[in-house]
Amino acid sequence: AQRVTQPEKLLSVFKGAPVELKCNYSYSGSPELFWYVQYSRQRLQLLLRHISRESIKGFTADLNKGETSFHLKKPFAQEEDSAMYYCALKSGTASKLTFGTGTRLQVTL
Amino acid sequence: DVKVTQSSRYLVKRTGEKVFLECVQDMDHENMFWYRQDPGLGLRLIYFSYDVKMKEKGDIPEGYSVSREKKERFSLILESASTNQTSMYLCASAKHRGLEKLFFGSGTQLSVL
Repeated sequence: AQRVTQPEKLLSVFKGAPVELKCNYSYSGSPELFWYVQYSRQRLQLLLRHISRESIKGFTADLNKGETSFHLKKPFAQEEDSAMYYCALKSGTASKLTFGTGTRLQVTL
Repeated sequence: DVKVTQSSRYLVKRTGEKVFLECVQDMDHENMFWYRQDPGLGLRLIYFSYDVKMKEKGDIPEGYSVSREKKERFSLILESASTNQTSMYLCASAKHRGLEKLFFGSGTQLSVL
């Protein structure tokens, strides 16, 4: 069965510090990984997809199949990055996403 | 941009009541989903649908059913509400089965007393 693990419920960093939100997955085939974000009082929205290999709002994530990880990184945290972050997995031809339990990022001055 | 609208932002119901949660999307998306969001448990998929009158069980379908009579509308039904169904319910839609991007509604906070 597919599974997404986000080991940290809360990550607190200072403004300007590097950020790494961890995500590990279990799936035997070729996964597609996503990061979704929910800012305060806003809807959950897509942040980035591993297939796109893009950087959104300074965030990047690399799929590491050897370590089955898809960690989200940003070199310098900003206050506006404070939000709930969810890692999600789409397996093969399945038409559904499996989400992790989420990590709350708190950026303080 | 895509609009996914959930009919109620807050709902309070009594144990045993039948509860309907409605979701409408305005961009002709094929796929629609119902998740529940609980602190510490993240998002868990209840049911999804990839076409009118089609439905598939998600990871936690027990105690729920769904209806998709029209492409734009996907309803979640709690046949007999229980206190452990108190939760935030999120509806989402996606244009294709590739799920390149899910669009979420603003959520319905359901309290079952």
